[in-house]
Formats: sequence, structure tokens, C-alpha cells
Amino acid sequence: AQSVSQHNHHVILSEAASLELGCNYSYGGTVNLFWYVQYPGQHLQLLLKYFSGDPLVKGIKGFEAEFIKSKFSFNLRKPSVQWSDTAEYFCAVKSGGSQGNLIFGKGTKLSVKP
Amino acid sequence: NAGVTQTPKFRILKIGQSMTLQCAQDMNHNYMYWYRQDPGMGLKLIYYSVGAGITDKGEVPNGYNVSRSTTEDFPLRLELAAPSQTSVYFCASSFSVDTQYFGPGTRLTVL
Repeated sequence: AQSVSQHNHHVILSEAASLELGCNYSYGGTVNLFWYVQYPGQHLQLLLKYFSGDPLVKGIKGFEAEFIKSKFSFNLRKPSVQWSDTAEYFCAVKSGGSQGNLIFGKGTKLSVKP
Repeated sequence: NAGVTQTPKFRILKIGQSMTLQCAQDMNHNYMYWYRQDPGMGLKLIYYSVGAGITDKGEVPNGYNVSRSTTEDFPLRLELAAPSQTSVYFCASSFSVDTQYFGPGTRLTVL
């Protein structure tokens, strides 16, 4: 069965620190990859996605992610976090054969200290 | 566009009661989904639909039912509520297999 692993359950950073959240998946075929963010009390919003092409994907609010096929990874990065980035971040994978169904990781909670 | 809307926002049920969680989208998306979110567990797919009249089970369908009579609406039915169904429920929709757009969620507590 497909699975998505997010390595960190809770990350605490100070403002201006750099961020990297890990995401690995366990499917060997064609995949579409997503990062969603859930701000406190809000619903999930799309940060960025990778379908094909340039493996370095830029999203909203200065976030980017790099798809490394050989490592089955899609890590999320941001050079300098802000207090407003405090949220929970979910990596999700859709395999080429599924009917749009996403497999979500368990999420990483990011707390940014002002 | 309102996007994906869900009602109610909060609900407390007693064990054995039933209820329907409503979900509607105005983006003319053909695909719709129901997820539950439990702390530290991410989102689990309950049911999904690829079009009106077509539904299928996801990862955790037990205790739930769905119907899709129109493109816009995708209600989720709990017949005999159990404490294990205490969760936050999210509805989502997408155009084919592209990006899913999520509703604001329904927080359900079963006591």
C-alpha cells in the first residue's frame, strides 16, 4: 500500500530561521505531489504541487519544494520563516493509477517564535 | 464563488444517534471527497465520488454512507454514531484528478 512519511511531528523555529520539512513516499510509479497548509482553525489550503517538469516547484508565500525521484522525496523549504507561518503542513501523494485520491502524511506542526 | 461549503461547523451527538454532514461546491467539480482528520494522524479518505451517481469507498468507510445525486452536493451520513467517529470532517472537491479544494470542516463529538 502507498504511504507518505513526514519525518518531523513538531518543529519549533525562531523567526528568520530556514525551514525544511521532509516528505517521503512509497510508490514507484508516476506520482503527483502536493503540500497543503492548515493554519490554526482553518481548512487546508494548497501551498504547491508537482505534476511534471522542473522538479523545483515554487509555491505561495515563499515556499518551494524539490522532487527527487531517486529518493522518493518531496521536501518543503523556506529560506526565512515568519511568525505567520505557524501552521500544520501536510504532504500528499496521488499515484498515477488512483482516481484523484490523495494519500496524506500525518502532518508536521510548525511553531515559529517571534 | 463560495468554493466548498460544509454544514454544520460543530455538532455533538449521543451514541447511537444519526446525522448528515452536508457538503456543497459551486465550482462544477466532478470529483468530491470526504476525509476525517484525527490529531497526529493526518487525513484519511472515507468516501469519494467521481461524478453524480457514482461513489466509492476510501480507506475508512465503515460507519458512514454517502450519496451523490447532483454534481454540487455530497452529503455524508452517520447512521449509528460511535465515540470512534469523534473527529473533524473535511469535504473536498476537484476537477478530475487535479488539485483538491477543501471546505472549512465539521467538528463532530460523539458522547
